[in-house]
Amino acid sequence: AQKVTQAQTEISVVEKEDVTLDCVYETRDTTYYLFWYKQPPSGELVFLIRRNSFDEQNEISGRYSWNFQKSTSSFNFTITASQVVDSAVYFCALSEASNTGKLIFGQGTTLQVKP
Amino acid sequence: EAGVTQSPTHLIKTRGQQVTLRCSPISGHTSVYWYQQALGLGLQFLLWYDEGEERNRGNFPPRFSGRQFPNYSSELNVNALELEDSALYLCASSFDRGLHNEQFFGPGTRLTVL
Repeated sequence: AQKVTQAQTEISVVEKEDVTLDCVYETRDTTYYLFWYKQPPSGELVFLIRRNSFDEQNEISGRYSWNFQKSTSSFNFTITASQVVDSAVYFCALSEASNTGKLIFGQGTTLQVKP
Repeated sequence: EAGVTQSPTHLIKTRGQQVTLRCSPISGHTSVYWYQQALGLGLQFLLWYDEGEERNRGNFPPRFSGRQFPNYSSELNVNALELEDSALYLCASSFDRGLHNEQFFGPGTRLTVL
């Protein structure tokens, strides 16, 4: 069965620290898609990145970077030089190969960045 | 470009009542998805509509239903409300029949059932 696990429930860091959010997934499919979303206190989920299972290249976007490793079924997210505005709940999600329209979300990691 | 919009923002109902939530997708998007985010249960997939038809539904009872209109907006209906239906209901949209494209979410409707 498909499953996404975000083992870190809450993380607290001081501004300017680097922080890595872990995501481990389970799937029997060889083709799948992984996503990260950010949910600030306002509640709206903000799309951050999509990665397909055939593209293991790491990606960097400003202070954000993602490390995809199929060998360990992980898709970790690192924020460099964290800022108070990064405080939010972060969700990792998996899309099944068959087009069900459904995203399977992890339980989320609450990140608190203190000034 | 306007994002996904949802109405109302907040809603308070009592057990046994019925509720309708509304969602307008991003212009050009044909697929609409509904998710429930209940405390302690995370984000659960509810329904997927595309081109006016229900394409998939999650593990929810039949009292959760909805529809999609010709302009691609959507309604989620919940009948016979129960206390555990209290949650944030999120709507999302995407184009290309949801072919693993990213889903863009609205701000949600907070439903409280008393």
